Amino acid sequence: GESVGLHLPTLSVQEGDNSIINCAYSNSASDYFIWYKQESGKGPQFIIDIRSNMDKRQGQRVTVLLNKTVKHLSLQIAATQPGDSAVYFCAENLSSTLTFGKGTMLLVSP
Amino acid sequence: GAVVSQHPSWVICKSGTSVKIECRSLDFQATTMFWYRQFPKQSLMLMATSNEGSKATYEQGVEKDKFLINHASLTLSTLTVTSAHPEDSSFYICSASRSRGGTDTQYFGPGTRLTVL
Repeated sequence: GESVGLHLPTLSVQEGDNSIINCAYSNSASDYFIWYKQESGKGPQFIIDIRSNMDKRQGQRVTVLLNKTVKHLSLQIAATQPGDSAVYFCAENLSSTLTFGKGTMLLVSP
Repeated sequence: GAVVSQHPSWVICKSGTSVKIECRSLDFQATTMFWYRQFPKQSLMLMATSNEGSKATYEQGVEKDKFLINHASLTLSTLTVTSAHPEDSSFYICSASRSRGGTDTQYFGPGTRLTVL
């Protein structure tokens, strides 16, 4: 697995591209998953969620895919914009406790 | 709706002093509030969970005597960092949930940056 360290995985894309951010979660009993966006110096902002009885959910410009077989979650952002630049965290919910993933920094170039 | 505020947004204090951070749910009643800590370029780590009117439940490795949590009303929780030291410098974030135990969505505050000199 990844080391926590001081370096976040980074995804660099051009404006207008589609972005895919991946997350591996740890507990197969987790029943609810959320993607958050965090801009520098701010708290996490809810993007989209999905329950474990679903494998796909779409929002406005965002789609979350859940693969329970391999404990994998992905966030797809369509037509990425500079304002999407931030750190993205997945979180899994188990027994009302959220456990956050390590985060991915998305950098969008104009 | 579902706005959570924190105060102060940043604080600088001397080593050995205590600092209180407030977390308020502005437009809903928060039966459960959570406190997280985040170091630079790292993820959020849950420190404790507090239900209104009950003692907080602390995560393993978090000193309850150092991080005092009070959740005396349905709209306010406070985190007091006692005898702060430079290693306590971090970004502290609260979240609030309408349901007891936090089974409902958690709404996050904007965070408080604590710097201990």
